[in-house]
Amino acid sequence: DVKVTQSSRYLVKRTGEKVFLECVQDMDHENMFWYRQDPGLGLRLIYFSYDVKMKEKGDIPEGYSVSREKKERFSLILESASTNQTSMYLCASSPGDRGASHFGNGTRLTVT
Amino acid sequence: DQQVKQNSPSLSVQEGRISILNCDYTNSMFDYFLWYKKYPAEGPTFLISISSIKDKNEDGRFTVFLNKSAKHLSLHIVPSQPGDSAVYFCAASGRSNSGYALNFGKGTSLLVTP
Repeated sequence: DVKVTQSSRYLVKRTGEKVFLECVQDMDHENMFWYRQDPGLGLRLIYFSYDVKMKEKGDIPEGYSVSREKKERFSLILESASTNQTSMYLCASSPGDRGASHFGNGTRLTVT
Repeated sequence: DQQVKQNSPSLSVQEGRISILNCDYTNSMFDYFLWYKKYPAEGPTFLISISSIKDKNEDGRFTVFLNKSAKHLSLHIVPSQPGDSAVYFCAASGRSNSGYALNFGKGTSLLVTP
């Protein structure tokens, strides 16, 4: 069965901290994505990667960076967390160009 | 700019009846459309998809209809069950600056009442 695992379900961090969100998939998918979900805004794409060491900006990349050193792992980094980055973060992976994305259960990040 | 729009934030339907969730898109480059279901505190779960070469796709109680000329798609759930109560997201993809990443609507919260 397809599995995308996000390392933490809940995180509380202070303003200015560097935050790492980790995501691992076990399906050998080429593509991996980071979204954030906010009430009334749906899911918005932060960054995506279509291959190891490759990354592309999504719609809202400001304040974030990513790392993909291995095919199965895609990390989202908040260089200096701010309160407006309090959100639900969702990682997803998909095969090839047209496969449906499979999502992890999300990380709810609170920045105080 | 929202390229995928779900104009109904919520919908309430009686058990056994049909649920119809609607979605509109603006980008004519989109050629693959998906519906996801999301329960609280869980990630979205893929439900059903349709390619732009089709106008209908069916999977059990779920059917998706695509009207390309109107840039409109809809998800029909028949018969609706209380377990279908969740937030439903419409998503679309097509070659763009974001590769084949999905563009999501804001979601419609479906409540199926017994």
